[in-house]
Amino acid sequence: DTEVTQTPKHLVMGMTNKKSLKCEQHMGHRAMYWYKQKAKKPPELMFVYSYEKLSINESVPSRFSPECPNSSLLNLHLHALQPEDSALYLCASSQPMRDEQFFGPGTRLTVL
Amino acid sequence: QQPVQSPQAVILREGEDAVINCSSSKALYSVHWYRQKHGEAPVFLMILLKGGEQKGHEKISASFNEKKQQSSLYLTASQLSYSGTYFCGTEFYGGATNKLIFGTGTLLAVQP
Repeated sequence: DTEVTQTPKHLVMGMTNKKSLKCEQHMGHRAMYWYKQKAKKPPELMFVYSYEKLSINESVPSRFSPECPNSSLLNLHLHALQPEDSALYLCASSQPMRDEQFFGPGTRLTVL
Repeated sequence: QQPVQSPQAVILREGEDAVINCSSSKALYSVHWYRQKHGEAPVFLMILLKGGEQKGHEKISASFNEKKQQSSLYLTASQLSYSGTYFCGTEFYGGATNKLIFGTGTLLAVQP
């Protein structure tokens, strides 16, 4: 199984809502990533988990809260988002060093 | 820190060749190449490691000049399916896990 799954595919939320994005992989990868991608821009790294521990936080606002419950799952909890947070959120997984990353299809988030 | 790609965009006829360049201002552990079609997730093409090791698709070739911190992706005998946005990703030491920073992107359109 070489697939990374993400749910939901689309999400519309208000600025006062709390929602979560979910990512799952069963490839035995020990690194998992969250990226944010705006239209016509490259993916922008947000967080990296390595062996279920947060190893990189790219100075992301606290309204984004990552969680890695186990080696296969990665969540991104959203609270009090701003309209400028609307984007495609991509999850990826790989081995922690110098290895190809497998991307999920993404969640397209719209904040009203 | 973000790698710079050139050209920004290129239009080809089927069967023509193209070269996409990626340049970084920082020392690299590796260079990754991904292709992203509109509305889809990035797909891994190739990884080039310091020391000359490479891993990727057979029909894709690339080079990595460690001293100049540059990489080039060579697309030969292009097909319609090659259309998409190509991103290089440069891997930097991030502590427990390296982090991948994507380049500015190159939009490739292959026409019949």
